[in-house]
Amino acid sequence: GEDVEQSLFLSVREGDSSVINCTYTDSSSTYLYWYKQEPGAGLQLLTYIFSNMDMKQDQRLTVLLNKKDKHLSLRIADTQTGDSAIYFCAESRTDSWGKLQFGAGTQVVVTP
Amino acid sequence: NAGVTQTPKFRVLKTGQSMTLLCAQDMNHEYMYWYRQDPGMGLRLIHYSVGEGTTAKGEVPDGYNVSRLKKQNFLLGLESAAPSQTSVYFCASSYGISNQPQHFGDGTRLSIL
Repeated sequence: GEDVEQSLFLSVREGDSSVINCTYTDSSSTYLYWYKQEPGAGLQLLTYIFSNMDMKQDQRLTVLLNKKDKHLSLRIADTQTGDSAIYFCAESRTDSWGKLQFGAGTQVVVTP
Repeated sequence: NAGVTQTPKFRVLKTGQSMTLLCAQDMNHEYMYWYRQDPGMGLRLIHYSVGEGTTAKGEVPDGYNVSRLKKQNFLLGLESAAPSQTSVYFCASSYGISNQPQHFGDGTRLSIL
């Protein structure tokens, strides 16, 4: 299979941490990306991780990669109302470099 | 920096009409892509281009044509629009190397009646 899978919805309280999960199926994936889409806008690159890394941290964002289980997660610390958006996981494979396979997206709603 | 610019932003068509969506990028990217986004399905690749004068089919190419006459522009055409093509269309561009991310436009919302 070639699907990238994500849970569809996540509700989190302002100030808590959010964890968005993603699974992918292609072991030849090289780079894995997280994009954010706010209402009515395009996709904004948040962060990405190379497949030989386990973790990458960038300010409030932490990406964890479990290559054995083909599991990727994005943790957002101290979640703010501005973090409400759809988050897409995407993989870039060595056999189709430049092209991305996207998940269906996780709708994150931050409540006060 | 404009980045990736899509025109128009909104359009309503009748079944059978034709139209062209324009994508322009000012980052000197080699690769350009057209996606469609439908609820619950993420983004699906329609066509892409790896350089000026070249195009290739993506995951869902039927009913669409593309042209890349200039490096900075990538056009998506619908020759005979169908209601199933109601969607949000995104253009993206990149250097084409796997560690270089794709940059997206803000989308074109297209409704076919």
